Amino acid sequence: GAVVSQHPSRVICKSGTSVKIECRSLDFQATTMFWYRQFPKQSLMLMATSNEGSKATYEQGVEKDKFLINHASLTLSTLTVTSAHPEDSSFYICSAKHGLDEQYFGPGTRLTVT
Amino acid sequence: EDKVVQSPLSLVVHEGDTVTLNCSYEVTNFRSLLWYKQEKKAPTFLFMLTSSGIEKKSGRLSSILDKKELFSILNITATQTGDSAVYLCAVGRTGNQFYFGTGTSLTVIP
Repeated sequence: GAVVSQHPSRVICKSGTSVKIECRSLDFQATTMFWYRQFPKQSLMLMATSNEGSKATYEQGVEKDKFLINHASLTLSTLTVTSAHPEDSSFYICSAKHGLDEQYFGPGTRLTVT
Repeated sequence: EDKVVQSPLSLVVHEGDTVTLNCSYEVTNFRSLLWYKQEKKAPTFLFMLTSSGIEKKSGRLSSILDKKELFSILNITATQTGDSAVYLCAVGRTGNQFYFGTGTSLTVIP
């Protein structure tokens, strides 16, 4: 149980375009999902907390107009990177909260902006 | 400032050795401490600890929390090459906020 999927697993896009990443909890409902970014050999950096039916809470330094988060249902949250630039290239990971604080992670999305 | 510190940063051991990974924290309104294993992709959940002194065990892995001294340890006995990974510690606080440590990179040599 507690499986989280993420799609796509890899995406390459041109600078200036937008990319949408989906995060789904497959066998449980998640009122709270999280979006992280991870640079090579570094730990996870929380970008935002996504709450079903309400606005996401962004961490300091994360541009909410650039990283649009929508949590329209109890099993789906989406992250849209708008007007992507090469510096946005990274590994994006979502997680869904199950129970008290257990987070189950999706497999991640490798974004490359050319 | 809330923080989570893991040590050592990296560790190389031989198969069969026992290892202890450390996680210390300074987080207000502590709610839980979690351990994850990250191989090539996203982290997989290992343990969640909320109470002091109660050991959680899963096979060769075990973990315990000390809320007075603000740390947790993750033990792996009889290590195998498949245990090679980055082990992440995270602390959750009220308000759905989580802080991750930088991880301990474990390499198990055959």
